[in-house]
Amino acid sequence: GAGVSQSPSNKVTEKGKDVELRCDPISGHTALYWYRQRLGQGLEFLIYFQGNSAPDKSGLPSDRFSAERTGESVSTLTIQRTQQEDSAVYLCASSYMLPGQPSNSPLHFGNGTRLTVT
Amino acid sequence: QKEVEQNSGPLSVPEGAIASLNCTYSDRGSQSFFWYRQYSGKSPELIMFIYSNGDKEDGRFTAQLNKASQYVSLLIRDSQPSDSATYLCAVNGAAGGATNKLIFGTGTLLAVQP
Repeated sequence: GAGVSQSPSNKVTEKGKDVELRCDPISGHTALYWYRQRLGQGLEFLIYFQGNSAPDKSGLPSDRFSAERTGESVSTLTIQRTQQEDSAVYLCASSYMLPGQPSNSPLHFGNGTRLTVT
Repeated sequence: QKEVEQNSGPLSVPEGAIASLNCTYSDRGSQSFFWYRQYSGKSPELIMFIYSNGDKEDGRFTAQLNKASQYVSLLIRDSQPSDSATYLCAVNGAAGGATNKLIFGTGTLLAVQP
C-alpha cells in the first residue's frame, strides 16, 4: 500500500492479557517509530528503529512493553499483562533516514491502533 | 523542563485572521523542526518543516525558526474554520547523537471562529 498500515484498528482486551500491535511501514522507509497518545494528550515517544535495530527504546514505559522489527519491514509492539493505564492510541510512523544523520525526513503516520483495556 | 513546550490553548481566532502558534525546545543541538496538524480522532499530518534560521513560507503557512532563542513558530494567514485542529510541534535529536527520535510537544488547539 501507499501509506503506513496498522492493525488492528481497534483492540479491546481484558486486564492481564497480552496484546500485539502491528505496523507495516511505507516501502523503502528505513526508520520506524512507535508513539502512544492517551486521550486528550500529546504524542509520547516509545521506541524507534533504524532498520531492524532499535537505537533508542528509552520511551518504553516498563518491561511489559517490547517491540521488534524484521529488516526494514513490519514491526510489532507487544504489551504483556496489560493494565488499564495502557489504554491509548498507539501510533506508528515511518520515514527515510540515513544512519548517523539527523532526521530531516518527515514522519508519515498510520491511522493508529486504539487499545482499550477493561 | 519539558523537551518541547507548547501552550495547550485553546487559541481562538476569527476567520480571516492570522493565527500564531509557538513552540520552545530545550535541546540546543536540535537540527530539524516540524509542524504537524491533528484533527480530532485522526493521525497527525505534516504541515511544514524547517531546518535553518529564518522564515519559510508555504501558501498560507509560514514557519519561523530562531535557534539562538530555541524557538519555532507557525503562522497561519487567512485562517479558515477548516484550520481548526491541534497543531503539534516536533523536534529531532542533535546530529551525531545516538538517537534520532522525534519529540513532540503536547500541541496547541486552534479554533477558528466563522
